Amino acid sequence: AQSVTQPDIHITVSEGASLELRCNYSYGATPYLFWYVQSPGQGLQLLLKYFSGDTLVQGIKGFEAEFKRSQSSFNLRKPSVHWSDAAEYFCAVGALRKGNKLVFGAGTILRVKS
Amino acid sequence: EAQVTQNPRYLITVTGKKLTVTCSQNMNHEYMSWYRQDPGLGLRQIYYSMNVEVTDKGDVPEGYKVSRKEKRNFPLILESPSPNQTSLYFCATQGANTGELFFGEGSRLTVL
Repeated sequence: AQSVTQPDIHITVSEGASLELRCNYSYGATPYLFWYVQSPGQGLQLLLKYFSGDTLVQGIKGFEAEFKRSQSSFNLRKPSVHWSDAAEYFCAVGALRKGNKLVFGAGTILRVKS
Repeated sequence: EAQVTQNPRYLITVTGKKLTVTCSQNMNHEYMSWYRQDPGLGLRQIYYSMNVEVTDKGDVPEGYKVSRKEKRNFPLILESPSPNQTSLYFCATQGANTGELFFGEGSRLTVL
């Protein structure tokens, strides 16, 4: 069965510190992977996606993620966190086909302390 | 501007009173879906639609109905809401070639 695990429910980092949010997936076919961010009271915005090719993908707002097939992981990173990055982050996995359903992780809430 | 628009954004209702959450998109996408978001559970798919007049159940369809009479609209219907349907609901469309979902801003529903 398809599943996504985000092991950390909450993470607190200091402004300016580096960040890594973990994501592990279980998927029977070639996975297509996404990270979404949800600011309070807002919808979900796509940060980045991985379909194929270079396993290190760059996204918006200075985020990047690395796909590691051997570890079934797609961790999200940012070298220096800003207070405006405080939000909830969701990892999702799906297939690149019409009518694809994305399976989401439970989310990680990021708090940034000044 | 590409948009997925949901209404209402906030709603408090009582058990058993039928309600509809509307969703409209201007991206001409064929695929639309509804998700609910609950703390600790992430987003779970309720229903989806591959095209006009084509709908199917997602992972948590109980207590919900949908219809797809036009390409741009995909309303979510709660015929007899119950407190366990208190949740944050998202409508989403999908680009044909990317797999990416485009989300509305969400509708927070409270059933008393």
